[in-house]
Amino acid sequence: QKEVEQNSGPLSVPEGAIASLNCTYSDRGSQSFFWYRQYSGKSPELIMSIYSNGDKEDGRFTAQLNKASQYVSLLIRDSQPSDSATYLCAVDTGRRALTFGSGTRLQVQP
Amino acid sequence: DAGITQSPRHKVTETGTPVTLRCHQTENHRYMYWYRQDPGHGLRLIHYSYGVKDTDKGEVSDGYSVSRSKTEDFLLTLESATSSQTSVYFCAISENRGGEDQPQHFGDGTRLSIL
Repeated sequence: QKEVEQNSGPLSVPEGAIASLNCTYSDRGSQSFFWYRQYSGKSPELIMSIYSNGDKEDGRFTAQLNKASQYVSLLIRDSQPSDSATYLCAVDTGRRALTFGSGTRLQVQP
Repeated sequence: DAGITQSPRHKVTETGTPVTLRCHQTENHRYMYWYRQDPGHGLRLIHYSYGVKDTDKGEVSDGYSVSRSKTEDFLLTLESATSSQTSVYFCAISENRGGEDQPQHFGDGTRLSIL
């Protein structure tokens, strides 16, 4: 079982819709959770971090964490074609080094 | 953007040759990391460093070595490159502020092809 699981997609949503990206993890001791966005041929870019249960909002992005169920999600409201990218979920299990999921490819259709 | 420079950005070499990739940071961050990224596998940790001369192995460390003689530089060496090491290599840095680990930030990557 992979430590961090994501649906590879592609997840296709129309422009203006809400995109919902999900991630599950196996290590119950995980403390920190991150979402990175990666455009094709580019490096990962941090868009959200979350450390405690509940929701964290930043502009059009909301990260949700449920440690009991071991999942973390990212909602993107009012999706734009520029949001089309691969979204990587990353988990810090306490060793400071991150474990990444394989990423979900999001396509926002104009 | 985080002050991270990876060099070279692209390299093509032959099986069996040694290869060294360099990561240089201007942020004075304590922690530095090397990842590789392959289709279907996401990013996988190769080695990381938590200070000068302090390094540790990651998930996929076989065939790789690292060195950190200065805070700003973290070198990744493939002693004898193999075709399975063809990949995109990313360096990342992070810091601990006030007892809280800060998120990692990535360099632009090195695309390495081993023929």
